[in-house]
Amino acid sequence: SQQGEEDPQALSIQEGENATMNCSYKTSINNLQWYRQNSGRGLVHLILIRSNEREKHSGRLRVTLDTSKKSSSLLITASRAADTASYFCATVAGYSTLTFGKGTMLLVSP
Amino acid sequence: GAVVSQHPSRVICKSGTSVKIECRSLDFQATTMFWYRQFPKQSLMLMATSNEGSKATYEQGVEKDKFLINHASLTLSTLTVTSAHPEDSSFYICSARRVGRADPYTDTQYFGPGTRLTVL
Repeated sequence: SQQGEEDPQALSIQEGENATMNCSYKTSINNLQWYRQNSGRGLVHLILIRSNEREKHSGRLRVTLDTSKKSSSLLITASRAADTASYFCATVAGYSTLTFGKGTMLLVSP
Repeated sequence: GAVVSQHPSRVICKSGTSVKIECRSLDFQATTMFWYRQFPKQSLMLMATSNEGSKATYEQGVEKDKFLINHASLTLSTLTVTSAHPEDSSFYICSARRVGRADPYTDTQYFGPGTRLTVL
């Protein structure tokens, strides 16, 4: 069953702008991960943040985690057309498998 | 490193036939592989967890006799869709978890490129 809920469902921005996507979940987690999926392709792992971490950076990506609110955000700075894709958050609870959210479709226009 | 391949990438078949999809970890060993299904513009739904040398664990609502999973080696898992019907048309994605990662909190999965199944 799905645990994560991303918002917005779709986001359209211009190149150079920042894109922020949010994810909320329902149960306690060990870690939360963000993945990117280009249309009709597999998923690419972007970043993992553990439950005892609050913020993490990787290149142009910044992820925050608020376990008290059971939410996370993914910020992509200085977006590029190549960032156009669907972005999914996924949670891991205990030793269980990944549970994916519904995803945000990001469109970056040149 | 951590490359996962799937074959075929796309398959079209007639209703009633069986289709086998292979998932391979190319540069690492994976005791656990996962099979997901994704409908257009929707999220991934876990179908089953495939463990090397043992029976797969299916999620609720997934018919194990319909979706046969075999994980015969540390680098290969197969999903066979038996007697496929048009409603089985979907995008099937596998992922693999590395062997030897003892830290349970670093649970990264490596995903294959997916297989588009169309049943006519």
